[in-house]
Parts: sequence; C-alpha cells; structure tokens
Amino acid sequence: EVQLLQSGGGLVQPGGSLRLSCAASGFTFSRSAVSWVRQAPGKGLEWVSGISDTGASTYYADSVKGRFTISRDNSKNTLDLQMNNLRAEDTAVYYCAHPGSGHYPAPFDHWGQGTLVTVSS
Amino acid sequence: EIVLTQFPGTLSLSPGERATLSCRASQSVSSNSLAWYRQKPGQAPRLLIYGASSRVSGIPDRFSGSGSGTDFTLTISRLEPEDFAVYYCQQYAGSPLTFGPGTKVDIK
Repeated sequence: EVQLLQSGGGLVQPGGSLRLSCAASGFTFSRSAVSWVRQAPGKGLEWVSGISDTGASTYYADSVKGRFTISRDNSKNTLDLQMNNLRAEDTAVYYCAHPGSGHYPAPFDHWGQGTLVTVSS
Repeated sequence: EIVLTQFPGTLSLSPGERATLSCRASQSVSSNSLAWYRQKPGQAPRLLIYGASSRVSGIPDRFSGSGSGTDFTLTISRLEPEDFAVYYCQQYAGSPLTFGPGTKVDIK
C-alpha cells in the first residue's frame, strides 16, 4: 500500500522559512517523480513543484520560483520542500503527491495527509 | 500555461440524479492529458479519471469521462451520498500542471 506521511508545517511570520517533508513507502520511490500541491483555505488546488525520479530535474510554479526548493533523498525515501521568504498568500494545506505512473507530468494517484502552513504575524 | 475553466461553479442535485460537469481548456490538451478528482471536505483529492476517459481501478462505473481538445466532461450517472463533494479537472499535458477552479456538487 502506498503511503505518503508528511511532517513539518505550522505558523511562521512573513519573510520566514519552513521545511516540509514527506516520507514515502509502498512503491519504488527512486523510480518515481513526485510533486507538492497546495490548497489555500476554502480555495482550489494549485500545483507547486515537482521533481524527477533522480532529482536531476525540478519544476516550479511561477508563484514560488526562486523562493521554494524541492529536493529528495532516494536513500531515505523522502521528499522535502524548503520554503523561504514566505508570504501570506503561501498560507495553505500542502500535499505531497505521487503519480501512479511515476512520470512527470502525470495525474496524482496518491496523496499525503496534508500539512497546514500558516504565514501570519 | 494552460488555464482550465470549470462550469457550473455549483451544481445542486438530488441523490440518484445525473450530474454533468464541464472543463474547458484555454488551448488544446495534447494526448487528452486530462484528469478528474473528487475532494470531500477535510480530505485529500482522489483521482477518478485520467486520459480524459479512463477510470482508475476501484472507481465505480457511474463515473465516466469524455471529451478531447479543449472540452471535457465528467458524468456521474446516479449520484450517491458520497458524491456530494468538489470536483477538479487537471491537465498534465505540460508544465506547469494546472487545475480548474472546481465544481461543487451539493444536495438540492
């Protein structure tokens, strides 16, 4: 069974930093692209960032480019999202998401439980 | 960037009725790389349809997808109580991946 267990998140002041993590199991992590998707309170879904299976290629939404960094550790089956210079509009539930095909771009068959990031003074 | 528009914004129906949800893309979605998700309150989205019309394993056959190019449709033949939720379309033809704003299906 595929599991994506997220950690991190919380309250941070504008301009601050936060790191999210996602521990994957139940599939061959090193052979799969993965992504982060977020959802602001009461709003729709927004893809944030993706990373290829080896980590050689990374992809970002314009809204976070230059501020967020996606990375992975295939030896530990973990995915991270380093978020710097956070803004109020980054407030959202963040999900790690895995495409069943393992490809990028692709639809997401599996989702983490979500973690809330609140940017507020 | 491919922008997706969904309509209607809200669909008010009764259990057992048929629901027809639409998703329109700002440009042609190559290879019909269009997916549909259902999201219940407080839960992560669940993938229902990919490739515009292929149902994910375990998804009931009351869900069907159709369309090509720029116009896509999700049909729920008979609404069950668990189907009252928000539905999103997503294109994965290229980066950035984009989602539509969602259609809420609520109980009439």
